[in-house]
Amino acid sequence: EAGVAQSPRYKIIEKRQSVAFWCNPISGHATLYWYQQILGQGPKLLIQFQNNGVVDDSQLPKDRFSAERLKGVDSTLKIQPAKLEDSAVYLCASSLEGGSSGNTIYFGEGSWLTVV
Amino acid sequence: GNSVTQMEGPVTLSEEAFLTINCTYTATGYPSLFWYVQYPGEGLQLLLKATKADDKGSNKGFEATYRKETTSFHLEKGSVQVSDSAVYFCALKYSSASKIIFGSGTRLSIRP
Repeated sequence: EAGVAQSPRYKIIEKRQSVAFWCNPISGHATLYWYQQILGQGPKLLIQFQNNGVVDDSQLPKDRFSAERLKGVDSTLKIQPAKLEDSAVYLCASSLEGGSSGNTIYFGEGSWLTVV
Repeated sequence: GNSVTQMEGPVTLSEEAFLTINCTYTATGYPSLFWYVQYPGEGLQLLLKATKADDKGSNKGFEATYRKETTSFHLEKGSVQVSDSAVYFCALKYSSASKIIFGSGTRLSIRP
């Protein structure tokens, strides 16, 4: 079974530039998450989709971050303009819809962003 | 609110030593509990999970028991290997539709 795919793996940009990350979840997974992991910290949820609807975006800095999942499958996360403090790993994850709280969330390898 | 607290690292042990990484949680209701592992340069991988009180999750020699009375989910392994060197994250999820909440991670280094 193919896992969660993310690209690009690595990106270096200057502050005030823009960047976009792409995610393809596991086939059949209705729930998709974007997490931000700053070095030395645990991942923090940015946004959660159920199919193509937003379930939770309470911690997404909406003045500069945006995300979409137009057809309920692939998703993109955009940052514009980037700040130095956005340097982090951006993790995409997916899980099956419904069931118990024990549904496993599967993570991609992450997109490593460095803002200089 | 819901949160996870885990022991700070780094933890450095010799090969074949016994490992415990403490994790406690605060949650409403009865969440599912997880341990994820992150090897250098890789994404997060599920190590083990437990979905109700007194459940024991186990995988690759690691174990953790869901203790409701102490709100804990400590990770243990009887004999660690160099290949276990990684960052370990304790996490909880409190409903099928909710996000997973992570602790801050514990870096483990094993000396040969």
